[in-house]
Amino acid sequence: NAGVTQTPKFRVLKTGQSMTLLCAQDMNHEYMYWYRQDPGMGLRLIHYSVGEGTTAKGEVPDGYNVSRLKKQNFLLGLESAAPSQTSVYFCASSSGTSRSTDTQYFGPGTRLTVL
Amino acid sequence: AQSVAQPEDQVNVAEGNPLTVKCTYSVSGNPYLFWYVQYPNRGLQFLLKYITGDNLVKGSYGFEAEFNKSQTSFHLKKPSALVSDSALYFCAVRARSGANNLFFGTGTRLTVIP
Repeated sequence: NAGVTQTPKFRVLKTGQSMTLLCAQDMNHEYMYWYRQDPGMGLRLIHYSVGEGTTAKGEVPDGYNVSRLKKQNFLLGLESAAPSQTSVYFCASSSGTSRSTDTQYFGPGTRLTVL
Repeated sequence: AQSVAQPEDQVNVAEGNPLTVKCTYSVSGNPYLFWYVQYPNRGLQFLLKYITGDNLVKGSYGFEAEFNKSQTSFHLKKPSALVSDSALYFCAVRARSGANNLFFGTGTRLTVIP
């Protein structure tokens, strides 16, 4: 039981390049989330999904796209990377079965630098 | 709108002393409140949460948190700090309506001095 895994762990891009971050969970969770973490700002929600085939915008969705083709995977795409997207990206998942008890479990993060 | 404030960027405490990491929140209605810890180069780990009931919540690694509705606070505490507790701590809130999103504070770096 690996929990939530993310690939890659590190990546350096040039401005304008594209890439996809992969998140996988083996807990059969319905809900999945992508956050970014910037110094002094805590974590901010980019996009989330409440089930296979569904996605929704979070607090800071601009410049990102997501897909949830399989229940266990949640992909975050950057079509044309910008230096402002330099950040640490965290994926999380939760069961979603009960609003009151739902707890998010986080992956180890991906450190992305855009030059 | 919901928000969380962690008024201290940095907290230093001597090993063996009690520690407190402060958190205040703003949300419509009653909140769900969470504490997470982040060790260097690691993801966030769940510590504890308040849903309802007893205002004192016990969590992992000997941590506890006290929910105070009148002061809209949810401070994290531990009776005796360990050097291994040194990490970045995040408070988060989720409203009882809408999506299951969490809103995080900016984090407090705890350093336990041997």
